[in-house]
Amino acid sequence: GAGVSQSPSNKVTEKGKDVELRCDPISGHTALYWYRQSLGQGLEFLIYFQGNSAPDKSGLPSDRFSAERTGGSVSTLTIQRTQQEDSAVYLCASSPSYEQYFGPGTRLTVT
Amino acid sequence: ILNVEQSPQSLHVQEGDSTNFTCSFPSSNFYALHWYRWETAKSPEALFVMTLNGDEKKKGRISATLNTKEGYSYLYIKGSQPEDSATYLCAFILSGNQFYFGTGTSLTVIP
Repeated sequence: GAGVSQSPSNKVTEKGKDVELRCDPISGHTALYWYRQSLGQGLEFLIYFQGNSAPDKSGLPSDRFSAERTGGSVSTLTIQRTQQEDSAVYLCASSPSYEQYFGPGTRLTVT
Repeated sequence: ILNVEQSPQSLHVQEGDSTNFTCSFPSSNFYALHWYRWETAKSPEALFVMTLNGDEKKKGRISATLNTKEGYSYLYIKGSQPEDSATYLCAFILSGNQFYFGTGTSLTVIP
């Protein structure tokens, strides 16, 4: 069956621009997670959704980051006024209960 | 901040050698521990979901053990093959939806 998909796969943007990253989870998975991996770092939790609600926003690094999920399905992660330190691979994962199923990630490069 | 530590950070072994790595996590409020394999240019893939102290899981040449009382899990690879080269991540789950990932162990198997 279809797995988690993310778009775009690669994004190069200029410092100060806004970007939107999209995640299409596996159908029926109620939980959705966003992570990022900066160069040389581990996976950093950003936010998770249970249905359309985000009970835990503690991982968002600044108020430039926001995320939403609609219809219990697609989620978008928006980064406003991007900075060079936002350069990372952004991973999305969905979960029916215990296991997480990861998408291929979006590699964001801020120049 | 919840610390999940993995060691070693990187490892090079010869084809055919057996190897193991460690994931250390807080011993209180344990819910579950996951192991993932993350190959370059692919998404992290779940290997094991471990929930009970003393759990031992096996998948082919890869196995894992869990000690929740002392807060560690070992991942073993028997007879390493080049296709085992990847980053191995562990994730400590504090509750059903709070995942804390380690920084991973990068394994390179030399033919």
